[in-house]
Amino acid sequence: AQSVSQHNHHVILSEAASLELGCNYSYGGTVNLFWYVQYPGQHLQLLLKYFSGDPLVKGIKGFEAEFIKSKFSFNLRKPSVQWSDTAEYFCAVSHMDSNYQLIWGAGTKLIIKP
Amino acid sequence: NAGVTQTPKFRVLKTGQSMTLLCAQDMNHEYMYWYRQDPGMGLRLIHYSVGEGTTAKGEVPDGYNVSRLKKQNFLLGLESAAPSQTSVYFCATARGEGGWWADTQYFGPGTRLTVL
Repeated sequence: AQSVSQHNHHVILSEAASLELGCNYSYGGTVNLFWYVQYPGQHLQLLLKYFSGDPLVKGIKGFEAEFIKSKFSFNLRKPSVQWSDTAEYFCAVSHMDSNYQLIWGAGTKLIIKP
Repeated sequence: NAGVTQTPKFRVLKTGQSMTLLCAQDMNHEYMYWYRQDPGMGLRLIHYSVGEGTTAKGEVPDGYNVSRLKKQNFLLGLESAAPSQTSVYFCATARGEGGWWADTQYFGPGTRLTVL
């Protein structure tokens, strides 16, 4: 079955540290890739997405992600995190054969210590 | 604009009771989705709709029914609730223009349901 793996369920960092959250998927064809974020008390919202072109995608709030097709990965990065980045981050994948369904990772809870 | 709203926010049911969750959107989006989220798991699609009057099954449809009589509303029903349906339920919408697979989804705040 197709799946999305997020390697870390919980991450704790200090402010100004660099962040990388892993995401790997198991589908071999053309994919679209998403990172969504849920800040405390807020709705899930799109952080960034990739569907074609430059594999380095920039999103809101200084986040970026790199699509590496050979590694089936779409890792999320931020060079210097802030306390306000505390949230839960979800990676998701879609492709033309997935019948309108996004396939979601289990999420990573990120806590930034002030 | 309210965006995507869900009613109720919290609910506790006894096994065998029924209830309906309402998702309403004012974004004029064609596509609407119902997901459930359980601890340690990603969101799983229950049912979805690609337009008024249409519905289709997702990954985990058993025990749920849906209706989309109006474009702006998507209802999720539990006819006979079971403890396994204890979860957080999210509604989402998407424009539905062009390729659905690249669409951004817009989420409601969630409904936390406990079945005793």
